[in-house]
Amino acid sequence: DAGVTQSPTHLIKTRGQQVTLRCSPKSGHDTVSWYQQALGQGPQFIFQYYEEEERQRGNFPDRFSGHQFPNYSSELNVNALLLGDSALYLCASTRTGPNYGYTFGSGTRLTVV
Amino acid sequence: EDQVTQSPEALRLQEGESSSLNCSYTVSGLRGLFWYRQDPGKGPEFLFTLYSAGEEKEKERLKATLTKKESFLHITAPKPEDSATYLCAVRTLNTGNQFYFGTGTSLTVIP
Repeated sequence: DAGVTQSPTHLIKTRGQQVTLRCSPKSGHDTVSWYQQALGQGPQFIFQYYEEEERQRGNFPDRFSGHQFPNYSSELNVNALLLGDSALYLCASTRTGPNYGYTFGSGTRLTVV
Repeated sequence: EDQVTQSPEALRLQEGESSSLNCSYTVSGLRGLFWYRQDPGKGPEFLFTLYSAGEEKEKERLKATLTKKESFLHITAPKPEDSATYLCAVRTLNTGNQFYFGTGTSLTVIP
């Protein structure tokens, strides 16, 4: 049973560019959350998608946007990249309902130069 | 404002030397406290969920406990393969569906 799959695993972009990261949730999961993890820090919540809608958003600027597709997969888009956007971007999926835990993917390491 | 603090930031243990990691929290309406293990360059791996004070969960050499103010992750007779960063996260009435993570404890077990 495949867990959460993220692509690409590594990415190098130039400041000002745009990037799209992709996530396929674990089988049976319908909710996808995105987190940003800077080096030496805990993950920070970006937003969550359910039924193709953004259900909750963390304290991130509008440069960060997302999408969820009918098959529950998701994309994270970041526009006008800044050096400070360099981080590990994690996707986590879960199933709707109480007391279901989140399964994390291995992440995409984004480096902005 | 919800706060989660993990201590120590880093811990070095000899193989077999038991110890505890701490996660203290100040939140409004705890809806769950979660422990994750994270290896370098990888995503967090779920370990335990605790919901109410007095609750305990065990898995192999790990045992998690919860009080009204903090959670402990006890590691008994650790092995080198237990080396990782251990993250604590909470869900609260304020955070809704999101997890609010601490900064983690980096554990190194020396053979």
